[in-house]
Amino acid sequence: AQSVSQHNHHVILSEAASLELGCNYSYGGTVNLFWYVQYPGQHLQLLLKYFSGDPLVKGIKGFEAEFIKSKFSFNLRKPSVQWSDTAEYFCAVTPMDSSYKLIFGSGTRLLVRP
Amino acid sequence: DSGVTQTPKHLITATGQRVTLRCSPRSGDLSVYWYQQSLDQGLQFLIQYYNGEERAKGNILERFSAQQFPDLHSELNLSSLELGDSALYFCASSPPGADTQYFGPGTRLTVL
Repeated sequence: AQSVSQHNHHVILSEAASLELGCNYSYGGTVNLFWYVQYPGQHLQLLLKYFSGDPLVKGIKGFEAEFIKSKFSFNLRKPSVQWSDTAEYFCAVTPMDSSYKLIFGSGTRLLVRP
Repeated sequence: DSGVTQTPKHLITATGQRVTLRCSPRSGDLSVYWYQQSLDQGLQFLIQYYNGEERAKGNILERFSAQQFPDLHSELNLSSLELGDSALYFCASSPPGADTQYFGPGTRLTVL
């Protein structure tokens, strides 16, 4: 079955620290990859996406992610986090079938201490 | 603001009742997706409609149903509600042929 794993459930960092959140997916075919962010009390917002091309993709708010096909991974990074990055981060994939449904990981709660 | 609207924002009801959640997609988007976010199950895909037709089904219970109307808004109907149905229900929409979904603010359902 298709699945997405986010191994870090809770991450606590101080401001200016670097961030890397892991994401691995299980699917034999072609997928599109996404990171969404959910700030406290808000809806999901798209951070970045990968469809094809350069495996290093840049998103909003200084986030980037690298797709490593051989490892089935799509890790999210930010060189220097801010208190305002406190949120829950979801990795998601859409298998390239007709539906484009998103399969989400369990999420990572990030707390950035000032 | 993603352009996707959902009503109501909050809904409190009792077990055994039936509720209807409403979603209006972004202008021009033909696809509507419904997702359930709960503490124990995380974010789960429920169902997708495309231009009025059901396109895909996920982990949707038989007590739940949805439809998309000619004006492209969608409704998710939840019946015989149980305590475990308490969750955030998100709607998302996407343009034709596109893979990026834009999420609404969600409806928080509390079943007492």
